[in-house]
Amino acid sequence: EAGVTQSPTHLIKTRGQQATLRCSPISGHTSVYWYQQALGLGLQFLLWYDEGEERNRGNFPPRFSGRQFPNYSSELNVNALELEDSALYLCASSLSGQGGRNQPQHFGDGTRLSIL
Amino acid sequence: LAKTTQPISMDSYEGQEVNITCSHNNIATNDYITWYQQFPSQGPRFIIQGYKTKVTNEVASLFIPADRKSSTLSLPRVSLSDTAVYYCLVGGGGSYIPTFGRGTSLIVHP
Repeated sequence: EAGVTQSPTHLIKTRGQQATLRCSPISGHTSVYWYQQALGLGLQFLLWYDEGEERNRGNFPPRFSGRQFPNYSSELNVNALELEDSALYLCASSLSGQGGRNQPQHFGDGTRLSIL
Repeated sequence: LAKTTQPISMDSYEGQEVNITCSHNNIATNDYITWYQQFPSQGPRFIIQGYKTKVTNEVASLFIPADRKSSTLSLPRVSLSDTAVYYCLVGGGGSYIPTFGRGTSLIVHP
């Protein structure tokens, strides 16, 4: 069974540009979560999608947005990039049960976004 | 919003049992507790999940007291390859906001 896949592995941008990160969940999983992990820090919740709908978002500005497609894959878009957006962006997927709250999340290995 | 607290780091030696505790004082009634392991430049890997009392699988045990305000991940007989960061995760009350702890960096020495 293929795990969660994320692309690209690395992404280099400059301040003010826009970045698009992609995630393919495990087959059969309908929930997708996005996290930001800055260097040396823990995982900060960004967004949760389930069945194509945004279910919740963390404490991040509106320039962080995303969507989930009918095949349950997902995109994270970050507009007007700032230096502090440099981080590892992790995607996870899970089965959707009770809103996905208690289903174990399975993570990809992330996209390393570097802002110059 | 469930806030979690873990020790920043722990040291152990090969063959010892390691216990890592996570505090989550305002855990919601329906929330489970999940533990993950993360190696550098990789995504976290699921270790174990529980709701109350004790859960055991082939790699770890999870102890949750009756008040559920904390949980303890137990790794039996650790090896060098268990050197990693360990995170606990609880749900976020009425609306699901996954809240990870800051992680515990475990270093296993020969």
